[in-house]
Amino acid sequence: AQKITQTQPGMFVQEKEAVTLDCTYDTSDPSYGLFWYKQPSSGEMIFLIYQGSYDQQNATEGRYSLNFQKARKSANLVISASQLGDSAMYFCAMRGAYTGGFKTIFGAGTRLFVKA
Amino acid sequence: DTGVSQNPRHKITKRGQNVTFRCDPISEHNRLYWYRQTLGQGPEFLTYFQNEAQLEKSRLLSDRFSAERPKGSFSTLEIQRTEQGDSAMYLCASSLVDSTEETQYFGPGTRLLVL
Repeated sequence: AQKITQTQPGMFVQEKEAVTLDCTYDTSDPSYGLFWYKQPSSGEMIFLIYQGSYDQQNATEGRYSLNFQKARKSANLVISASQLGDSAMYFCAMRGAYTGGFKTIFGAGTRLFVKA
Repeated sequence: DTGVSQNPRHKITKRGQNVTFRCDPISEHNRLYWYRQTLGQGPEFLTYFQNEAQLEKSRLLSDRFSAERPKGSFSTLEIQRTEQGDSAMYLCASSLVDSTEETQYFGPGTRLLVL
């Protein structure tokens, strides 16, 4: 079975500092994709970053980078230079290429609070 | 076209009533997904379509739930005889199947409250 675990229900970070949000996953698929989404209080899910299981390099998108450690089955999100607008829920998600069909499974999320 | 849209954004209904939600995906996207999200949880998969074909349904989707995507464009999700446990955010997402990562882009959701 596929599973996503986010162990940090809430995180605080000072504005302009970096923060790491943890995500571990479990799958038997040899090929899979990992995603991070941001959900502000308005409710919409905003795609942030993608990492493929065969990608050799860690994904980066602006201030977001994904620390992918395949052997440890972890896919942590690093946000650099935090901004007040980064305060939101963050979800780690995974889709396997073979098991689980094409649905994406999500973790329970981490709520990030950015302090001024 | 700037993204996935969903209507209505909010719905309050009485237990036992039927409700229908609509999702308009990004125009060139051929896959469409429905998710349900309850407070404090991540989205849970309900069903998905490739073009007009409904290819998978979660066990969460009881007989009271039905989804359609008649022309492979917009989709509707209907809940019959609503129950208080149906109160949740219903999210729609779309994706393009021929992209390597097949990122799903979400709409703003429909927040349902069953009284």
